[in-house]
Parts: sequence; structure tokens; C-alpha cells
Amino acid sequence: QVQLQQSGAELVKPGSSVKISCKAAGYTFTTYDMFWMKQQPGNGLEWIGWSSPGNGKTKYNKKFNGKAIITADKSSSTAYLQLSSLTSEDSAVYFCAIGGSFFEYWGQGVMVRVSS
Amino acid sequence: DTVLTQSPGLAVSPGERVTISCRASESVGTRVHWYRQKPGQQPKLLIYGTSYRDSGVPARFSGSGSGTDFTLTIDPVEANDAATYFCQQSWNDWTFGGGTKLELK
Repeated sequence: QVQLQQSGAELVKPGSSVKISCKAAGYTFTTYDMFWMKQQPGNGLEWIGWSSPGNGKTKYNKKFNGKAIITADKSSSTAYLQLSSLTSEDSAVYFCAIGGSFFEYWGQGVMVRVSS
Repeated sequence: DTVLTQSPGLAVSPGERVTISCRASESVGTRVHWYRQKPGQQPKLLIYGTSYRDSGVPARFSGSGSGTDFTLTIDPVEANDAATYFCQQSWNDWTFGGGTKLELK
């Protein structure tokens, strides 16, 4: 069955960067676009961007331009989200999900906490 | 960006019918999808394309609407349905509503 296994929680310092992962299993990795979402406590979800592992194409929510970089490694069926110049506003749970129009499969989420 | 506005939190008793609304700031056709999220879990897809139930989703869940106004209906509500429900549109990139928290009396 389809599984998206995300890396563990991160506690990082302001101004630093973090890279979180999402390992896919149960389907052909290049078949679906991999999306990343942000959810702050008590808030709704925001789309960060997506990558197409088959051709390397990416697209970002303009709000996250310069903040997020999404990559994918076909050899390990793993997608990555790198966040830079972290501030307290980046403290959130980050989800990976596959889909196009809607998202049937999600990772379990990664809590990123930015604190000195 | 297309903004999705959801109805505020609701409290209902098991066995009742509940409707959760989602209004878009512009027309999104029928590209509205609904998710349920419980605390500490990832969202779970319930309805896609306004009215199509995802695999394994009980017939108690139904969706309707078009254009700017959409509704998720749960009938009858069960105790296990206590959660936050989100709508999402995919007509103009992707945005989510703020969520409606459903509490059971």
C-alpha cells in the first residue's frame, strides 16, 4: 500500500536551515507529483510547493519563494523540503502528500520548532 | 489567491445531521475537496471533485455545491466523527479553508 514516511521532529535555531524528508513506498515514485504543506497550530493548511520526480519540475507558492526548496531523489524514492533563514513563523508541522488536484495520501507530518 | 471561508465550529449529538459550509472568494468550478483531521494526525481525504467519496469513506458523508458555495454533509453523525474538517480548492493553484471543528455533545 502507498506509504509516505517522514523524518523526525526538528528543533532548530533562528537563522538556520532545516531539511526534512519524505520516503515514498508502495507506488512508482515518478508517477505522482509530491506536494508539501505547512500547518501552524490552530491554523489551516498552506500549500508550499510541489515537485515532479519524473522530470524534476517544481512549482512554489509565491509566499514561499526564497524560503523553501523542494527536491526529489529518484534512486531512493525520497522527496525533500529545505527551509532556510528560519524564524518563529516557520514553526509548524510540515506534511508531504501526493496528488494533483486533491491529496489521497499524506505523510504523518514533521514538527519543526524554531527556538534559540 | 482564492480564499476559502468555512463555517465556525459546530456541536452536534450523535445521530443528527450536520452540514459544514465552504465559500470561495471566486468561482472554483467543482474542484473542491474535503478532508477530516484528528489531533496529531494527517488529513484524510473524504470527498473529491465536490461530491465523489474517496475509497472506503462511508455513505454517511456527502458533498455538494458548485461555483463558490460548497457543503459537506454528515448524516448521521457518529461519535468518531469529532474532528476538524477542511475544504480545499484546486481551480486556482491550491488553497485550504481554515477548518471547521466538529464537536460531539
